[in-house]
Amino acid sequence: GAVVSQHPSWVICKSGTSVKIECRSLDFQATTMFWYRQFPKQSLMLMATSNEGSKATYEQGVEKDKFLINHASLTLSTLTVTSAHPEDSSFYICSARRPSYEQYFGPGTRLTVT
Amino acid sequence: EDKVVQSPLSLVVHEGDTVTLNCSYEVTNFRSLLWYKQEKKAPTFLFMLTSSGIEKKSGRLSSILDKKELFSILNITATQTGDSAVYLCAVGGSGNTGKLIFGQGTTLQVKP
Repeated sequence: GAVVSQHPSWVICKSGTSVKIECRSLDFQATTMFWYRQFPKQSLMLMATSNEGSKATYEQGVEKDKFLINHASLTLSTLTVTSAHPEDSSFYICSARRPSYEQYFGPGTRLTVT
Repeated sequence: EDKVVQSPLSLVVHEGDTVTLNCSYEVTNFRSLLWYKQEKKAPTFLFMLTSSGIEKKSGRLSSILDKKELFSILNITATQTGDSAVYLCAVGGSGNTGKLIFGQGTTLQVKP
């Protein structure tokens, strides 16, 4: 299967700081990437759809000014959690979509805000 | 409203058993149905189905789609403890973004 990487895999930050998470598709070009968050024992929640070269489309209830998404190239999308607070602590997962519509997930980033 | 429903929500079996997981959907402009396995980390891709009646197979796992009755099944034969996971069904629907609608997942526990 295709390979999608995320960096970092785990990050701890202090309240009020910003954190950037990178998502890379390593062996294919992804015109579309997706960002999810997942709380323990809950299903994935789509936050936004990221298209290369254009603004991200956010799901209802997701603050676009808090979760900044940049899809600078066909293999890289970044999610920046700005002014993080403890309630932003979660598991953030990206996925990348092949032209064939198969979607592959990155390994996820566990964010802990203290 | 688009929805994907999986059943059962949880299942406990013993090694060697065969299990069948179900996924039904009501999605506008269906494009594809995908199955994922999620253990402790992010979901790993199993299958993508787009055509009715064509079985996809990978080792002990197989899956098939029925676009008339709007459902899919995932079969696992000769289960092993390593099959214990949450199995997610997702459907890609309307629009060209490829946004997926997920079911609640089926938690499978395989006991030795």
